[in-house]
Amino acid sequence: DVKVTQSSRYLVKRTGEKVFLECVQDMDHENMFWYRQDPGLGLRLIYFSYDVKMKEKGDIPEGYSVSREKKERFSLILESASTNQTSMYLCASSLSTTGDAGELFFGEGSRLTVL
Amino acid sequence: GDSVTQMEGPVTLSEEAFLTINCTYTATGYPSLFWYVQYPGEGLQLLLKATKADDKGSNKGFEATYRKETTSFHLEKGSVQVSDSAVYFCALRRDNTDKLIFGTGTRLQVFP
Repeated sequence: DVKVTQSSRYLVKRTGEKVFLECVQDMDHENMFWYRQDPGLGLRLIYFSYDVKMKEKGDIPEGYSVSREKKERFSLILESASTNQTSMYLCASSLSTTGDAGELFFGEGSRLTVL
Repeated sequence: GDSVTQMEGPVTLSEEAFLTINCTYTATGYPSLFWYVQYPGEGLQLLLKATKADDKGSNKGFEATYRKETTSFHLEKGSVQVSDSAVYFCALRRDNTDKLIFGTGTRLQVFP
């Protein structure tokens, strides 16, 4: 089975802190994604990576950056956390970039609270 | 731009009731459509999908038919169980990539 592992289930940080959210997948998938999930807003794409060191902004990239130094690992970075970044963060991976796919495999999520 | 609209929840049903969760979409062309499910404390997982008009996706007793004339992909199940209690997300695939656009999610609560 594909496994997507997010390093922390729950984090509490203070405003202005630098925050790292780590995600590892074990199925050699090319694509990795970071979404945030908020009540009434569903899932919104923050960043997308289609290969090592390749990244693309999603719909809400402001205040975030990402790093993909190895194929299996995709990190989300909050350079200076703010209270409006309190949310559930979901990492996902998928195999292909083209063709008829669309099956994303999700981690269990990291719930971040910024005080 | 492309978007997905789902009915607001929660949807509350008794066990063995019929379920419909509405989903409509706005998109250029004919994107692939998906239903994902999120059980309590877990990540999302693919429930079913349809890749072209009139396709029916099905899994675990759930079905959804891709209707291009009404731009809809409603999720149905004939007899729900308590174990179906979860949040259901409708999604579409854009730009022929895996960058899915998700709806806001619909919470289903099934009581014995």
